[in-house]
Amino acid sequence: DAMVIQNPRYQVTQFGKPVTLSCSQTLNHNVMYWYQQKSSQAPKLLFHYYDKDFNNEADTPDNFQSRRPNTSFCFLDIRSPGLGDAAMYLCATSVRTSGGETQYFGPGTRLLVL
Amino acid sequence: DAKTTQPPSMDCAEGRAANLPCNHSTISGNEYVYWYRQIHSQGPQYIIHGLKNNETNEMASLIITEDRKSSTLILPHATLRDTAVYYCIVKSGAGSYQLTFGKGTKLSVIP
Repeated sequence: DAMVIQNPRYQVTQFGKPVTLSCSQTLNHNVMYWYQQKSSQAPKLLFHYYDKDFNNEADTPDNFQSRRPNTSFCFLDIRSPGLGDAAMYLCATSVRTSGGETQYFGPGTRLLVL
Repeated sequence: DAKTTQPPSMDCAEGRAANLPCNHSTISGNEYVYWYRQIHSQGPQYIIHGLKNNETNEMASLIITEDRKSSTLILPHATLRDTAVYYCIVKSGAGSYQLTFGKGTKLSVIP
C-alpha cells in the first residue's frame, strides 16, 4: 500500500547532540511537510517543500533544518536539541484534489531529549 | 484561514451515530472545511472535506449549513476504534498549504 513512512518511531538523543529524523513516501506526492506536536497540543507546521522549493514557517527556530534530496525522501535535522524539543515529529505529504490539498500523515517519530 | 470552534470533548455509545459540531462563522467563500482525526500516539488521519455541499465517503458524512458558518461530522455507527481527537480545519484551496490545527474534540466511544 502507498504510504508515508517515518523511521525510527522512537528516537532518543542527548542535549545538544545533532539528530536526524527520516520520512519517505510511496505516494509520489510533490509536497512534503514536517510538523511538531508537543504533549497534549495540536500539531504545528515547521516547514514544507513544494518539489524542491523550501518554505519555512516564520516562527520555526533556526535549530531546525530540512533536506529533501528527491521526491520520496525528506529529513528533519535538529542541530542542537534542547529539552524543549522533545515532541512527536510528524511528516505529511499532499496532492491537489478537486478542491484544496489533502494531507496524508505518517505515524510520527517521538523524540526524547536527555 | 478562518478559525474554528469545537467542543473539547464528547461521548458516544458504541453503535450509535456520533455527531461532531464545528463553528466557523468567519469562513470565506474560497475556504474548505476539512476534518482529520488523531488516534492516540498516531499521526492525524484525513477523514473528509467539503466546500458547500454535503459530502459522504466510506468513513463519514459532512453536513455544511447553507450559510457555511457551521458544519457537523457524522460517524454513522461509532466503534471503539473511533475514539480519537477530531479536528475541524478551515483552509483555503489552491496555493494554501498550511493546516492550522485547533484544540479539536476528544470523542470517547463507550461500550
